[in-house]
Amino acid sequence: ETGVTQSPTHLIKTRGQQVTLRCSSQSGHNTVSWYQQALGQGPQFIFQYYREEENGRGNFPPRFSGLQFPNYSSELNVNALELDDSALYLCASSQPRNEQFFGPGTRLTVL
Amino acid sequence: RKEVEQDPGPFNVPEGATVAFNCTYSNSASQSFFWYRQDCRKEPKLLMSVYSSGNEDGRFTAQLNRASQYISLLIRDSKLSDSATYLCVVRNNAGNMLTFGGGTRLMVKP
Repeated sequence: ETGVTQSPTHLIKTRGQQVTLRCSSQSGHNTVSWYQQALGQGPQFIFQYYREEENGRGNFPPRFSGLQFPNYSSELNVNALELDDSALYLCASSQPRNEQFFGPGTRLTVL
Repeated sequence: RKEVEQDPGPFNVPEGATVAFNCTYSNSASQSFFWYRQDCRKEPKLLMSVYSSGNEDGRFTAQLNRASQYISLLIRDSKLSDSATYLCVVRNNAGNMLTFGGGTRLMVKP
């Protein structure tokens, strides 16, 4: 096990709602990255947080936002959910520029 | 054109077979390359980094061809436990973003 935990494991929401996903990083890691993995596709980079600041963002709209806390845990918030937001959301923790260790993911279904 | 492209497969091979996957990437300035393994409904895990000179880890060999911008993974003596999706990954030069291919599914049969 990597030591990266995510909650909840599964979540069902309806279109237009808001969701918050949580990630606890591995001990000693100060960087958290978030990825979205749609069914049958590879993960896509959403953004990265380093020492509580956003440190790079992929091609996702502003309704995807995040936070990192002083203990380096992180949240991903998605507003105005759309059907296409249904996916596995993965967080990964690391030291900067080092191997990223992934958590088990949160499976989000939007109805 | 996708930044990282892979044949989705599936590759169905018998135990003991040798199988090879290729991947192409579009950014010629990329410096860091990896193969990840992802089991069904699980998180991706680093299988191995890919170095310019090629590298081997047991039954797995990874090679990089910068001129043609492709990366390969060779698996020798396939085991049932090798059945998984193999993801080709390129890290950007800032070191903060991994770009994944769509994955190649491997099924090893008895």
